[in-house]
Amino acid sequence: AQSVTQLGSHVSVSEGALVLLRCNYSSSVPPYLFWYVQYPNQGLQLLLKYTSAATLVKGINGFEAEFKKSETSFHLTKPSAHMSDAAEYFCAVSPGSGGFKTIFGAGTRLFVKA
Amino acid sequence: DAGVIQSPRHEVTEMGQEVTLRCKPISGHNSLFWYRQTMMRGLELLIYFNNNVPIDDSGMPEDRFSAKMPNASFSTLKIQPSEPRDSAVYFCASSSTTGGNTEAFFGQGTRLTVV
Repeated sequence: AQSVTQLGSHVSVSEGALVLLRCNYSSSVPPYLFWYVQYPNQGLQLLLKYTSAATLVKGINGFEAEFKKSETSFHLTKPSAHMSDAAEYFCAVSPGSGGFKTIFGAGTRLFVKA
Repeated sequence: DAGVIQSPRHEVTEMGQEVTLRCKPISGHNSLFWYRQTMMRGLELLIYFNNNVPIDDSGMPEDRFSAKMPNASFSTLKIQPSEPRDSAVYFCASSSTTGGNTEAFFGQGTRLTVV
């Protein structure tokens, strides 16, 4: 079985500050891991994905995430927050092969203060 | 490709009425997912199909909900009869599982309001 836990339903940072959104997963098979972003009144868009290649994954808009198997974590970071980063972020996990189900975390809403 | 297309974008209906939501997945994708998003429960997977076959419908809340995928380019989610607690945003997503899972691509969603 697979699951995803996002720590913190709300995160607030100042513009220019580091963004850190936490995600821990559990999976009985090697996982694929994803971060998605949702802007108001829109669907989810893929930010980045881990598919068992490099453990540090770079995505769009300056975001990156590091897969740490020993910690079962896949935290999302961005060195300097921009006002346009304010949105809801979802971590998701799916089996690397042999299955089709993608499980999403509860989401973390990011607020960026001027 | 135009991406995943959902219709309608907004639906307002009276309690007891039948509601049908529609989805056209990305051409070539062989998996399709229906999700429901609410403030209280977040993003919930209702059902997913692989190669037009329902694989897991354990997330479908009640028998009032049904989903079909008659072919690779079309799926419907039907609620009959609808209730106010069904009010939510319903998302359709598709992905390709050929050669391993890829990310899910989401439609813009259908905002359903049952009054």
